[in-house]
Amino acid sequence: AQKVTQAQTEISVVEKEDVTLDCVYETRDTTYYLFWYKQPPSGELVFLIRRNSFDEQNEISGRYSWNFQKSTSSFNFTITASQVVDSAVYFCALSGTVQGAQKLVFGQGTRLTINP
Amino acid sequence: EAQVTQNPRYLITVTGKKLTVTCSQNMNHEYMSWYRQDPGLGLRQIYYSMNVEVTDKGDVPEGYKVSRKEKRNFPLILESPSPNQTSLYFCASSRRDTAYEQYFGPGTRLTVT
Repeated sequence: AQKVTQAQTEISVVEKEDVTLDCVYETRDTTYYLFWYKQPPSGELVFLIRRNSFDEQNEISGRYSWNFQKSTSSFNFTITASQVVDSAVYFCALSGTVQGAQKLVFGQGTRLTINP
Repeated sequence: EAQVTQNPRYLITVTGKKLTVTCSQNMNHEYMSWYRQDPGLGLRQIYYSMNVEVTDKGDVPEGYKVSRKEKRNFPLILESPSPNQTSLYFCASSRRDTAYEQYFGPGTRLTVT
């Protein structure tokens, strides 16, 4: 079965602190894809990153970085020098095969609040 | 501009009154799907469509219907809405399947009283 767990329901930090959002996944597929989406207070879902299971290189995009470790089935997301605009709900998602069909399974989401 | 549109954005209705939420994409995507978002549960897939006239159930299909008569449109139909269908609904589209980035619509907040 496919499953994504975001154990941190809510995180609150002060601006400029670094913060890491955890994502742990379960799958039996050898080929799968992992995603992070951001949902700001306005409600839309914003794509942040897509990673395939064969690419374990860490990725950095400005203040955002992602650490993919197959050995621990984790795909964690770090925001460096957080800003108030980073306040949002963040979703980790896994795309894989369930009963022959491609499915996208989301974690429960982590609500991140950056306080000024 | 590449986008997924949904209408209406907000809807308050009463139990049992049939409604349709429309979804349209302009990216010529094959794959479209509907999700509902509930607190503490993340997004759960309701129905999906791999292409025109090809639809299948997701994880929570009860109480919903869909159709895919045209590639760009994928309406969600609630024939007899109930209060437990009060939720935030998202339509999404992508190339081929969920291995690709999903482009989400702006969401429809539905309240059933």
